[in-house]
Amino acid sequence: QQQVKQSPQSLIVQKGGIPIINCAYENTAFDYFPWYQQFPGKGPALLIAIRPDVSEKKEGRFTISFNKSAKQFSLHIMDSQPGDSATYFCAASERGNYQLIWGAGTKLIIKP
Amino acid sequence: DAGVIQSPRHEVTEMGQEVTLRCKPISGHDYLFWYRQTMMRGLELLIYFNNNVPIDDSGMPEDRFSAKMPNASFSTLKIQPSEPRDSAVYFCASRGTGRPKSYGYTFGSGTRLTVV
Repeated sequence: QQQVKQSPQSLIVQKGGIPIINCAYENTAFDYFPWYQQFPGKGPALLIAIRPDVSEKKEGRFTISFNKSAKQFSLHIMDSQPGDSATYFCAASERGNYQLIWGAGTKLIIKP
Repeated sequence: DAGVIQSPRHEVTEMGQEVTLRCKPISGHDYLFWYRQTMMRGLELLIYFNNNVPIDDSGMPEDRFSAKMPNASFSTLKIQPSEPRDSAVYFCASRGTGRPKSYGYTFGSGTRLTVV
């Protein structure tokens, strides 16, 4: 029940396309859902996060869509660029618990 | 702010040797996390501290691993004796609790450990 299941494991998209990465969870006590971006040789960095009281959040070209009833959330990258090539992790945590439960990661490649 | 600082960036050691990884969290952050990342297992939480006190060390793989946080600005992760299967990238991350924008973790650049 503590797991966050992330898919796909890897994804290749042409420049300008819209990669979509999906995550699913079972624990209804989760109330914070961040996405992290990791470039080779670097630590993961917070990209965007959402709470379950909204269904969508946008920051620049990055959008989180959240479906509370389905217990799923996804990351969309609009107008993707080769510089977006990285590994993306979804995560979740319960209210008041600062420990994140991580998805397995998606390696995204944007082809020029 | 210099971010979370980890040292060394790379460490190559022989099996059986002691290894010490170091981390300086962001000033004012009261949570510190140690993670291990491998291709096979992804990101694994090893241990985390709140206000310098270890809260959950259930992810520490064996007694060979130990972690300390003697003050708010310094933490160490020690492996003694090291084994080849310990080879991984070890990350330290910190976070604050004061404001919504501080909910995110800030990771260091990691220490790539190779045990031969």
